[in-house]
Amino acid sequence: EPEVTQTPSHQVTQMGQEVILRCVPISNHLYFYWYRQILGQKVEFLVSFYNNEISEKSEIFDDQFSVERPDGSNFTLKIRSTKLEDSAMYFCASSGENTYEQYFGPGTRLTVT
Amino acid sequence: QQQVKQSPQSLIVQKGGISIINCAYENTAFDYFPWYQQFPGKGPALLIAIRPDVSEKKEGRFTISFNKSAKQFSLHIMDSQPGDSATYFCAASNNAGNMLTFGGGTRLMVKP
Repeated sequence: EPEVTQTPSHQVTQMGQEVILRCVPISNHLYFYWYRQILGQKVEFLVSFYNNEISEKSEIFDDQFSVERPDGSNFTLKIRSTKLEDSAMYFCASSGENTYEQYFGPGTRLTVT
Repeated sequence: QQQVKQSPQSLIVQKGGISIINCAYENTAFDYFPWYQQFPGKGPALLIAIRPDVSEKKEGRFTISFNKSAKQFSLHIMDSQPGDSATYFCAASNNAGNMLTFGGGTRLMVKP
């Protein structure tokens, strides 16, 4: 069964450093998303991406964040200068055209020290 | 108006019992209501979902009940098993390809 994959599973970085989180969405999906979940809290939407551009973003997704689909398979989230409060699980999700169903990857745990 | 409120925050059920988790929403533009199951250290897994044109959807032991006029929906887990112990999130969306707004989550523990 196709699934969303994410790398790395755990990333530790120092405050102020740049991080790139990687995702490989399900191959025939066209919509891509990033969500985050601070430990013990609910899942929060960050950004959605369709047709090589951002289609929606939340207030959390400020100028420190960017997304990219550098090739036909990868979808990345970059945090330019990490803050302590960026520590969270980051989930990538994808969905097909004309469908609501979003499938989530296993997540990347980002720890900012 | 984008919020989805979920209750209870935690739930303990005996094996074989019925687990019931409730969600309420304000945004009448929402037209898709999924439930996700999340085990520790894993990503949310789509469990079951409903559109507002039906009042109930059943898949195996899992049933969603939907009340459009009350803007509420609930997940019922029949014959709950210890393996169902997980965190459950309700969510809502207003269009294919749009963001999901999640509820706060319910930590379910099913005692053997």
